[in-house]
Amino acid sequence: EVSLLESGGGLGQPGGSLRLSCAASGFTFSNCGMSWVRQAPGKGLEWISGISGNGGSTYYADSVKGRVTISRDNSKNTLDLQMNSLRAEDTALYFCAKGGRIAGAGRANDAFDIWGQGTMLTVSS
Amino acid sequence: EVVLTQSPATLSLSPGERATLSCRASQSVDKYVAWYQQKPGQAPRFLIFDTSHRATGIPARFSGSGFGTDFTLTISSLEPEDFAVYYCQQRSSWPLTFGGGTKVEIK
Repeated sequence: EVSLLESGGGLGQPGGSLRLSCAASGFTFSNCGMSWVRQAPGKGLEWISGISGNGGSTYYADSVKGRVTISRDNSKNTLDLQMNSLRAEDTALYFCAKGGRIAGAGRANDAFDIWGQGTMLTVSS
Repeated sequence: EVVLTQSPATLSLSPGERATLSCRASQSVDKYVAWYQQKPGQAPRFLIFDTSHRATGIPARFSGSGFGTDFTLTISSLEPEDFAVYYCQQRSSWPLTFGGGTKVEIK
């Protein structure tokens, strides 16, 4: 069964750092672009970062550029999001999303066919 | 950045009625629009990709149409489980973006 399991959320301090992780199983991880999508409480979906299947290309939304780094370990089937300089507006449920290979194997500019259940990050002092 | 505007924000309908949801892009995104359904407390569910192609296991009552800047998701006859929030997403250019969502509620 294809699944994604996020972890690493919790309470973060303004200006602090946190690392979110996503464990993938049930599919050939290296063949799929992956993304992080977040949802602030009561709000809509916001794409924030994506990475190609081989990790060679990364993409960021302006709202997090320079503060966030996406990475993947294809030997461990894991996706990470390092978040620095945390702000109150980073408070959200963070979803890991699998590219559906509609754009082509490993491409990051994809639609998302599988989503994890999310990990909640709250930024507050 | 491509801005996706969804309308209406809320659609109040009864089971069995037809739902028509709109997604308008601030610039052409060709055919590269996907749709998702989200219920409270759940992750989004993949419905449609590249305007009109249903994802695996999606019932035929869901259909998509459009091109360029105007897209539509149609639910031909609402089932009780279809009442949810629906989002469009474009993959034509970076950054990828989502619309603000349309809530389909029971009238």
